[in-house]
Amino acid sequence: DSGVTQTPKHLITATGQRVTLRCSPRSGDLSVYWYQQSLDQGLQFLIQYYNGEERAKGNILERFSAQQFPDLHSELNLSSLELGDSALYFCASSPSQGATNEKLFFGSGTQLSVL
Amino acid sequence: GQNIDQPTEMTATEGAIVQINCTYQTSGFNGLFWYQQHAGEAPTFLSYNVLDGLEEKGRFSSFLSRSKGYSYLLLKELQMKDSASYLCAVRDWSSSNTGKLIFGQGTTLQVKP
Repeated sequence: DSGVTQTPKHLITATGQRVTLRCSPRSGDLSVYWYQQSLDQGLQFLIQYYNGEERAKGNILERFSAQQFPDLHSELNLSSLELGDSALYFCASSPSQGATNEKLFFGSGTQLSVL
Repeated sequence: GQNIDQPTEMTATEGAIVQINCTYQTSGFNGLFWYQQHAGEAPTFLSYNVLDGLEEKGRFSSFLSRSKGYSYLLLKELQMKDSASYLCAVRDWSSSNTGKLIFGQGTTLQVKP
């Protein structure tokens, strides 16, 4: 158990809908990272938050947004869902902004299926 | 930008040794990580290199050559449970001054009896 909690584990929805994925980082970790993993792609970096502020952005679609709350949990919002958004979404956390030897701890992921 | 290349698939025999290579190009290199991921599960940390050379940790070792943009993960005494994907990731300390990890596509290793 990494200490990172993601809910829900599975989510099935229809095209055009909006969903929210939730992540609680390990106790004491200030950074939260969101990654998307599709069948034909590796882990794609979406966005990083550190202590409530956005710190880095990857190839995140404009239909996607995220935030980190004062209690450090984070939510990833996906809207106007398309079939291609079906993927495993991982949250990871680390103690600070990503120091040299700082590893990321991953949650068990949310499997999103858009039908 | 960043580019990380790994073989897509590899097959090895139980008890043998396998080497998984990774080449990378990045502007803000600040460390290389290897993660293991079983199908449908979370990636778990295996090893980390920031200086050139070999890091050994039990049956797993990882090597880095920064000048060549090259790393490998060496798995010894393979066990069936080692069948998994192995992800090479580079810490990219670029303009935003945050150390996000950029992952390669992963190498799926199948260990056969």
